Amino acid sequence: DTAVSQTPKYLVTQMGNDKSIKCEQNLGHDTMYWYKQDSKKFLKIMFSYNNKELIINETVPNRFSPKSPDKAHLNLHINSLELGDSAVYFCASSQDRVAGLREQYFGPGTRLTVT
Amino acid sequence: AQSVTQLDSQVPVFEEAPVELRCNYSSSVSVYLFWYVQYPNQGLQLLLKYLSGSTLVKGINGFEAEFNKSQTSFHLRKPSVHISDTAEYFCAVISGGSNYKLTFGKGTLLTVNP
Repeated sequence: DTAVSQTPKYLVTQMGNDKSIKCEQNLGHDTMYWYKQDSKKFLKIMFSYNNKELIINETVPNRFSPKSPDKAHLNLHINSLELGDSAVYFCASSQDRVAGLREQYFGPGTRLTVT
Repeated sequence: AQSVTQLDSQVPVFEEAPVELRCNYSSSVSVYLFWYVQYPNQGLQLLLKYLSGSTLVKGINGFEAEFNKSQTSFHLRKPSVHISDTAEYFCAVISGGSNYKLTFGKGTLLTVNP
């Protein structure tokens, strides 16, 4: 009964490929997020969706496209993968945008390695 | 723009010793401050938060932090650490007008040695 789950946990792929990471939360939350953690452990928000509506879109290459089929899911699709995309990607959720002030619940992360 | 500076990238301590992990923030408006912990190969977990009210906040696992507006600091403390506290600790801020965007510091690796 994992609260925020991500698949896959590990993803190894070659440059130029297209890949997706899936995220699901069973907390009934309205807001979901994608974060990128680089090799130096620096965490930066990429996107945020509230009730399937994009509300935060940081300076992220167009190769990254989030998709929210419903408010329990937020997937991340990456086109034409580059070496610099190698990182750990975390999904998170909060009850709503304001509740995000109180706490965000993080998934276990997906370690993406581009070779 | 909001930002967070964690002054120490690594803090080694011995078991049962006290520890302080330092965090300073920068924001021109009101702030909400957080400490998250990341155990090896896991996601992040909220330790504690300051939203308003008492400047001394207590969190899980015996941690506490004090919000100091004049020094723009939010340092994390624990009087006696355990081996199991070994983890990466992230200070984070949300400031008014940021569209509720959580901005993280670069993290402090706390290593507790026997």
